[in-house]
Amino acid sequence: NAGVTQTPKFRVLKTGQSMTLLCAQDMNHEYMYWYRQDPGMGLRLIHYSVGEGTTAKGEVPDGYNVSRLKKQNFLLGLESAAPSQTSVYFCASSLRQGADEQYFGPGTRLTVT
Amino acid sequence: DAKTTQPPSMDCAEGRAANLPCNHSTISGNEYVYWYRQIHSQGPQYIIHGLKNNETNEMASLIITEDRKSSTLILPHATLRDTAVYYCIAFFGGYQKVTFGTGTKLQVIP
Repeated sequence: NAGVTQTPKFRVLKTGQSMTLLCAQDMNHEYMYWYRQDPGMGLRLIHYSVGEGTTAKGEVPDGYNVSRLKKQNFLLGLESAAPSQTSVYFCASSLRQGADEQYFGPGTRLTVT
Repeated sequence: DAKTTQPPSMDCAEGRAANLPCNHSTISGNEYVYWYRQIHSQGPQYIIHGLKNNETNEMASLIITEDRKSSTLILPHATLRDTAVYYCIAFFGGYQKVTFGTGTKLQVIP
């Protein structure tokens, strides 16, 4: 099993450009999450999904959109990138509701100039 | 979800036990205590979790006080590879979200 994979690993965008980050998991997990990590801030939840076709806002959702068309994939979109969105983005998944650990991907390092 | 408080940094000699404290005084009865760690810039890695009882697995032990207001993660024989940021999180899984704070940066010293 590959676990949780993220594409791309690195990206540089200009202000105003758009892009989509792809997260894929092969563990048949129901729940998927997108976090961002900034220096000194820990990880903050952007959006999450409790199943195929469902999404919900996390702590810092503004400027991002997500979609979960297939159970194994969770997409994070930036419609008009801003320098404040420069960050490392982590995707995670978990099997069940309840006390269940999250499995994290390797991260995507995004720079917006 | 209960707020957790951790020291920002700790040092531990290689081969000794590392004891990482976490305060979660506002934890509610159905919230679990989870520990994750993040090595360098990798994605966080699950370590252990518990509700009331002490727990042990191949990586670590988790000691939760009887009043559940604090806990300690124990790495019995720290190695250089255990140098990482350790996050303590308290949450009730039904909310499907986890809030990570800034954690404790553990430096294992040769």
